[in-house]
Amino acid sequence: QKEVEQDPGPLSVPEGAIVSLNCTYSNSAFQYFMWYRQYSRKGPELLMYTYSSGNKEDGRFTAQVDKSSKYISLFIRDSQPSDSATYLCAMSVWGGSEKLVFGKGTKLTVNP
Amino acid sequence: GAGVSQSPSNKVTEKGKDVELRCDPISGHTALYWYRQRLGQGLEFLIYFQGNSAPDKSGLPSDRFSAERTGESVSTLTIQRTQQEDSAVYLCASSSPYDRGHRVGLYGYTFGSGTRLTVV
Repeated sequence: QKEVEQDPGPLSVPEGAIVSLNCTYSNSAFQYFMWYRQYSRKGPELLMYTYSSGNKEDGRFTAQVDKSSKYISLFIRDSQPSDSATYLCAMSVWGGSEKLVFGKGTKLTVNP
Repeated sequence: GAGVSQSPSNKVTEKGKDVELRCDPISGHTALYWYRQRLGQGLEFLIYFQGNSAPDKSGLPSDRFSAERTGESVSTLTIQRTQQEDSAVYLCASSSPYDRGHRVGLYGYTFGSGTRLTVV
């Protein structure tokens, strides 16, 4: 079993839809949870960053972490064609090298 | 510089040849990471530098892979005797553990655009 599982999609939605992306993980030591967005032929860019459990909101984006279920989610409200990208979840433990463990990424297309 | 710079952006090499990939981190970032992204896969951690030492090399897949870093500056990832399974995008990231006294660490991770390596 991989440490982080993410459905690769692809996911196609109409403009304005609410998008739900999620990851599950097996390592209970993970404490930092991140969502990255990656456009084609670009490096990932950080979207949301959450420590431990709870919700975090930033504009149209909401990140949720449920450590008891080892499940994290990213919600995108009022999705736009410019949101079309691959979304990667990433996790890390406290201290050490702070290396990130990534999911495979979900490819999202928002159709105008 | 303003961002993490990687060169070359694309590299095609013949099986068995050695390649060197370069990463120029954001000025002042003490931590530097190399990741590999194979087609349809998430990013895999390769190696972590703090300054010019590498306390975590656990992700290097074989002894054909090595990396070095000059001070808190440029890093080079070298792959010897390349194999077709080495074909991937190699991404570099840098970060600074602190920003104006606050611990940022993971929040401050910035990735380059990567080097797309194709072994034929």
